[in-house]
Amino acid sequence: AQTVTQSQPEMSVQEAETVTLSCTYDTSESNYYLFWYKQPPSRQMILVIRQEAYKQQNATENRFSVNFQKAAKSFSLKISDSQLGDTAMYFCAFMGRVGGNQFYFGTGTSLTVIP
Amino acid sequence: DAGITQSPRHKVTETGTPVTLRCHQTENHRYMYWYRQDPGHGLRLIHYSYGVKDTDKGEVSDGYSVSRSKTEDFLLTLESATSSQTSVYFCAISDWGGAPDTQYFGPGTRLTVL
Repeated sequence: AQTVTQSQPEMSVQEAETVTLSCTYDTSESNYYLFWYKQPPSRQMILVIRQEAYKQQNATENRFSVNFQKAAKSFSLKISDSQLGDTAMYFCAFMGRVGGNQFYFGTGTSLTVIP
Repeated sequence: DAGITQSPRHKVTETGTPVTLRCHQTENHRYMYWYRQDPGHGLRLIHYSYGVKDTDKGEVSDGYSVSRSKTEDFLLTLESATSSQTSVYFCAISDWGGAPDTQYFGPGTRLTVL
């Protein structure tokens, strides 16, 4: 099974500042996908951003961007101009091609944006 | 938002009773998944389906069974609930068209086994 590690259980950031959440993964596959999901207090899982491993360009979605380092198996999420609505649990996820399109999730990072 | 509903949204039951959770989708997606979410573990896959009547086990399948008789419905059954199955359960869907490798999640079901 693949493993996904999020080493920061909790983080905080001042409103309007930038924060980076870390994620590392372990795989022997060369073609895979990586995701960041956000889970606010409502409990709904919301897709933030996705990255395809064969694309060297880092994905960007408005204030959210990733730093994808394939050789290092690292996939960090940068949130710019943090807003109060960004307060949530953030999960990193891996999906390879082996094993039926299964996702493997990290244990999550709880982010608090401080006004 | 993807059309995914889960029922019930909350359930309290007693140890030893059977429980069935339902996931319903209106997206006609081929793949459906059941996860459980527990503190310190993130989301862990219980079972998944890659078509009608086609299912397979995930990481934490012991004590759970699933059925999929129609594309739109995926049922998760706890044959005899135990306190260790107290958790939040999420259904997710995915497909090979469009953005084929993204999973979209339902709102979750909080299950408490006393």
